[in-house]
Amino acid sequence: DTGVSQNPRHKITKRGQNVTFRCDPISEHNRLYWYRQTLGQGPEFLTYFQNEAQLEKSRLLSDRFSAERPKGSFSTLEIQRTEQGDSAMYLCASNSLKGTGGNEQFFGPGTRLTVL
Amino acid sequence: AQTVTQSQPEMSVQEAETVTLSCTYDTSESDYYLFWYKQPPSRQMILVIRQEAYKQQNATENRFSVNFQKAAKSFSLKISDSQLGDAAMYFCAYRSVLSGTYKYIFGTGTRLKVLA
Repeated sequence: DTGVSQNPRHKITKRGQNVTFRCDPISEHNRLYWYRQTLGQGPEFLTYFQNEAQLEKSRLLSDRFSAERPKGSFSTLEIQRTEQGDSAMYLCASNSLKGTGGNEQFFGPGTRLTVL
Repeated sequence: AQTVTQSQPEMSVQEAETVTLSCTYDTSESDYYLFWYKQPPSRQMILVIRQEAYKQQNATENRFSVNFQKAAKSFSLKISDSQLGDAAMYFCAYRSVLSGTYKYIFGTGTRLKVLA
């Protein structure tokens, strides 16, 4: 059973560096979501894709953040010129419009980013 | 804008006992989904239970049940016969049906400790 996978699981970087995270959704899922979770908080929505189209972006997604899903399969989230405030867990989730039950989102294990 | 509030940062329960986690939300919409997700330490979030707002009957999944009070905008989770494996962060989440967005709005979470 292949769930949502994310790489790397942990990333430590210095302020000002660029980082890129990858998310591989469940194969038949056409929707992919990115969330950010800081310590003591619930996940906050960043953006989502339907196939390769990015349909919604949160105001949290500053111009230093960019997300892509070029072939409608895996997605990447890049943060340029990282800041200490970017330190968080970045979660990826996926689901499909097919089926019933409120279109549950399936979450990956997350990438924990630490900016020094 | 919709909001989700979890007013209990931490709860403790004795093994085999029952515990109730609270969640309130604010929305002007009449149709939506509500979810409880479990996030064990260093593991990915998994769905515990979902509720469709247009269904008056409270959802149940084995030892997990909800008390959905639509007028009061309350959505509490009851865990019966608590087990050590229930120890985790629990997040309440809201998802709009009508607005065309599929993102989740999460509460800040409740950390559940299960005492042996």
